[in-house]
Amino acid sequence: AQSVTQLDSQVPVFEEAPVELRCNYSSSVSVYLFWYVQYPNQGLQLLLKYLSGSTLVKGINGFEAEFNKSQTSFHLRKPSVHISDTAEYFCAVSDNAGNMLTFGGGTRLMVKP
Amino acid sequence: DTGVSQDPRHKITKRGQNVTFRCDPISEHNRLYWYRQTLGQGPEFLTYFQNEAQLEKSRLLSDRFSAERPKGSFSTLEIQRTEQGDSAMYLCASSLMTVDYGYTFGSGTRLTVV
Repeated sequence: AQSVTQLDSQVPVFEEAPVELRCNYSSSVSVYLFWYVQYPNQGLQLLLKYLSGSTLVKGINGFEAEFNKSQTSFHLRKPSVHISDTAEYFCAVSDNAGNMLTFGGGTRLMVKP
Repeated sequence: DTGVSQDPRHKITKRGQNVTFRCDPISEHNRLYWYRQTLGQGPEFLTYFQNEAQLEKSRLLSDRFSAERPKGSFSTLEIQRTEQGDSAMYLCASSLMTVDYGYTFGSGTRLTVV
């Protein structure tokens, strides 16, 4: 079984500042890792994913994440945030059989002008 | 294809009533998933289908919950004898055979039990 911990429930940041949203996972097998974004009253949208290969993954809207196997982490970063990035962000993990995703509790990113 | 559709978007029901939600996945996706999301939490897995076969059910899916996917197309999730603790957002997602491609989520059905 897998589990995901998102260490920060809320992250306030000023517009144009860099941000990092932290994610740690636990699994006894190889995993696939994902970040999703959820805007109010909407479903989740895929930002990026790590399946294999390069540990630095680039996604949509200028986000990137780095897979660190030794630290079992998959932190999400953006060098300069916009007001429109205000949303809930979820880290998720799947075993490499790919049957289903297990989500973390989410991090609310609040971008202030 | 317009993505994953869920109906209704909102449902308010009295405790003890039965409710049914519908999900229409992306047509070429053979996997369909149901998740439940309570306020301030991440989505929790309920069940998933591969084509018409229900392959896995979470322990969260009590006997009052039933899901179907006849003919491997749309799916329904029924909750019988609703309780206030059932109030949540019910999310449907679909994918190709595995999650490599990620899920495509619908906008969800928000259930409020009063």
